[in-house]
Amino acid sequence: GQQLNQSPQSMFIQEGEDVSMNCTSSSIFNTWLWYKQEPGEGPVLLIALYKAGELTSNGRLTAQFGITRKDSFLNISASIPSDVGIYFCAGQLPGNTPLVFGKGTRLSVIA
Amino acid sequence: NAGVMQNPRHLVRRRGQEARLRCSPMKGHSHVYWYRQLPEEGLKFMVYLQKENIIDESGMPKERFSAEFPKEGPSILRIQQVVRGDSAAYFCASSSGQNTGELFFGEGSRLTVL
Repeated sequence: GQQLNQSPQSMFIQEGEDVSMNCTSSSIFNTWLWYKQEPGEGPVLLIALYKAGELTSNGRLTAQFGITRKDSFLNISASIPSDVGIYFCAGQLPGNTPLVFGKGTRLSVIA
Repeated sequence: NAGVMQNPRHLVRRRGQEARLRCSPMKGHSHVYWYRQLPEEGLKFMVYLQKENIIDESGMPKERFSAEFPKEGPSILRIQQVVRGDSAAYFCASSSGQNTGELFFGEGSRLTVL
């Protein structure tokens, strides 16, 4: 099946630092989405991107849809303890196809 | 609560028993997706259903697993004769079907097979 390569696998950062994570694929995607999952919960949609080059913000979060349509990144500025969780990228191939998920980036914030 | 509702949240079964997981989509959504998540892993697609129809079951194991989304009532993911390897979190998501790719997830059902 399709694979999304998400990196880094995990991050330990100090409160207040900025964070960057990305997702790449060998396939072209029509849609890129970023989700956050906290322990014992389901993934929550953070940002959805629909056009190559699109840059979208949601509070301290900013995500971009790569020009080649094969990658996306998520930045978190001025991290706070409640940013802790697993961040997943997800992509939708052309057509009404199910989302493909990356393996996640586990973020730990040290106060 | 207008979100995706899943139950049970936790289910314990012995090997060989059956597990039934239920999912009610968000109000107004008629498209349901089931994903499986193993510990320390991402979500793996299993099946995509609309009311009374299976649209894509390419991620569903060929044996022991089945899914339905009847005209009335929740979507059901059924696992027969469970084995230890079936232990995982099973997430249901729903969408409006507008082809935006945006899925809204429930809180998951965590199956433990003893």
